[in-house]
Amino acid sequence: DGGITQSPKYLFRKEGQNVTLSCEQNLNHDAMYWYRQDPGQGLRLIYYSQIVNDFQKGDIAEGYSVSREKKESFPLTVTSAQKNPTAFYLCASSMKIAGGNEQFFGPGTRLTVL
Amino acid sequence: QQPVQSPQAVILREGEDAVINCSSSKALYSVHWYRQKHGEAPVFLMILLKGGEQKGHEKISASFNEKKQQSSLYLTASQLSYSGTYFCGTVRPGNQFYFGTGTSLTVIP
Repeated sequence: DGGITQSPKYLFRKEGQNVTLSCEQNLNHDAMYWYRQDPGQGLRLIYYSQIVNDFQKGDIAEGYSVSREKKESFPLTVTSAQKNPTAFYLCASSMKIAGGNEQFFGPGTRLTVL
Repeated sequence: QQPVQSPQAVILREGEDAVINCSSSKALYSVHWYRQKHGEAPVFLMILLKGGEQKGHEKISASFNEKKQQSSLYLTASQLSYSGTYFCGTVRPGNQFYFGTGTSLTVIP
């Protein structure tokens, strides 16, 4: 079955540690996205990638980094520079970038920084 | 830059109708609608494109007023399964994508 996988589902880290969230898709989509969701709030765009080896900052990129070395994979690193990293992180993909293409979401990773 | 949704929350009895609105202050290329159940990923409902094209589920209806930069999602004869948080996503020229803050919909028996 085609889809998007994110791992792990729950992640706990100590303050000051970097952590990498995995996102893999087998939908053959060009575009991939990372969102952050805080309780009772909407989704805010962290980074997006239109194509392999290219990515752009979203609204809240500070303290995060990404790479897009393969079409299927778009990992997100939450660095120690992110002041409040505890949140629900969602990865998504679409056939092409935004516009007229629906986004398919992974199940999310809930990150808690202690 | 984030679109504004209204109402923030609504409670319906099964069978009742509801309208959720999404408004942007900037010109839009398209509007997306998604529904998210608690603790789950958002699920695609519909895309409305500039020029009138729509893509989405047959049982969902929505409108897009390009001049006013507004979209509305119409939920008719609501069912318990309609409960969740509804998000609009607005796409501006240049592929800038922003989600709204969400509308919580609760359908009760």
